[in-house]
Amino acid sequence: GAGVSQSPRYKVAKRGQDVALRCDPISGHVSLFWYQQALGQGPEFLTYFQNEAQLDKSGLPSDRFFAERPEGSVSTLKIQRTQQEDSAVYLCASSLRGTSGNPNEQFFGPGTRLTVL
Amino acid sequence: TQLLEQSPQFLSIQEGENLTVYCNSSSVFSSLQWYRQEPGEGPVLLVTVVTGGEVKKLKRLTFQFGDARKDSSLHITAAQPGDTGLYLCAGTDNYGQNFVFGPGTRLSVLP
Repeated sequence: GAGVSQSPRYKVAKRGQDVALRCDPISGHVSLFWYQQALGQGPEFLTYFQNEAQLDKSGLPSDRFFAERPEGSVSTLKIQRTQQEDSAVYLCASSLRGTSGNPNEQFFGPGTRLTVL
Repeated sequence: TQLLEQSPQFLSIQEGENLTVYCNSSSVFSSLQWYRQEPGEGPVLLVTVVTGGEVKKLKRLTFQFGDARKDSSLHITAAQPGDTGLYLCAGTDNYGQNFVFGPGTRLSVLP
């Protein structure tokens, strides 16, 4: 399909384990966003890439969270030494253009549901 | 930090009824977007409003952006079970850099 894909869809980790979540954006989309969505809440911004450049990482909750997009397409969100409070759905979104100027539509993936035991 | 509030948090209605949900902030946004999210899926964009006072219609859905660009409403006419979902508003600040979601209104339309 031509949409945003994320893998794995579900991940169960033991506390202290490292995890890596993958996002495949729509081909050619410049912008890529990561969000964290707790149960019953709206998505909360984590970080933003324009091509391979990480322009905003102000939403990352701690230095255990790290994101990269080395070739300006696929992105990986890594969480080190997972804690129970990291349990959430992690959403990835891409959009065609950069964020300056008029808003443009963000296309979301289905998310990865992370459960930390 | 710009915050968005949404009300009501939960809404359960019968098929055929009308409803309005609200998105409010003390901050001015350059644009607001409405999304619908179904369980196990990511949010899907419904509409973007940019101009204060703007009204947009999408079939049975009517969206309005407040004159001061601090609030927005979504009105659904003759709700159907297929309208069930989490309705999220999201705002962009004047620099187009920060994108903030509200907590959502969870709508359930009963047949």
